Amino acid sequence: EADIYQTPRYLVIGTGKKITLECSQTMGHDKMYWYQQDPGMELHLIHYSYGVNSTEKGDLSSESTVSRIRTEHFPLTLESARPSHTSQYLCASSLTTGGGNSPLHFGNGTRLTVT
Amino acid sequence: GENVEQHPSTLSVQEGDSAVIKCTYSDSASNYFPWYKQELGKRPQLIIDIRSNVGEKKDQRIAVTLNKTAKHFSLHITETQPEDSAVYFCAASIGSGGYQKVTFGTGTKLQVIP
Repeated sequence: EADIYQTPRYLVIGTGKKITLECSQTMGHDKMYWYQQDPGMELHLIHYSYGVNSTEKGDLSSESTVSRIRTEHFPLTLESARPSHTSQYLCASSLTTGGGNSPLHFGNGTRLTVT
Repeated sequence: GENVEQHPSTLSVQEGDSAVIKCTYSDSASNYFPWYKQELGKRPQLIIDIRSNVGEKKDQRIAVTLNKTAKHFSLHITETQPEDSAVYFCAASIGSGGYQKVTFGTGTKLQVIP
């Protein structure tokens, strides 16, 4: 089934660790996004990509990095996790259409806890 | 940049009543306005959207209206049911060609009381 998949679903790690949150989509979408969201709260854009080898920082200052080497894959890396990074991370994708706008499809998220 | 304000932040209604959530945006270039529903512990999902060349759109119990002049749009849910309880996010999007910038509102927590 075409969807957007995130792993792991939950992650608890210690301060200072390097982590990578995985996001893959089988929907054939060209655009991909990472949002940070405390449960039920506002969505903050941290990174986005319009296609392979394209990455941009979003509105929320973040100490993370992303890469887009393959169309379907958009991993997010935290070089040194801190307690302030504790949150939920949502990956999303969308398809470029003639009009330029299309809805975002979200993954189930990774809930990260840094101790 | 675009700024989207959403009100109210919380809303409680009796089952069967209507619920209205309002959003305003600042950038007149925004041309697409989706609404997402996020149930507890789940991902946001699109429930309805409207493009700038349309003033109103309806899908069963859900409708969205857009006033481009005033730069505001609203979500209307009629005959509310307990399963409508969730957080609702409005968004304003500017899109052209391969570019799309989406700005979300701060969310409205809707509680439908049986």
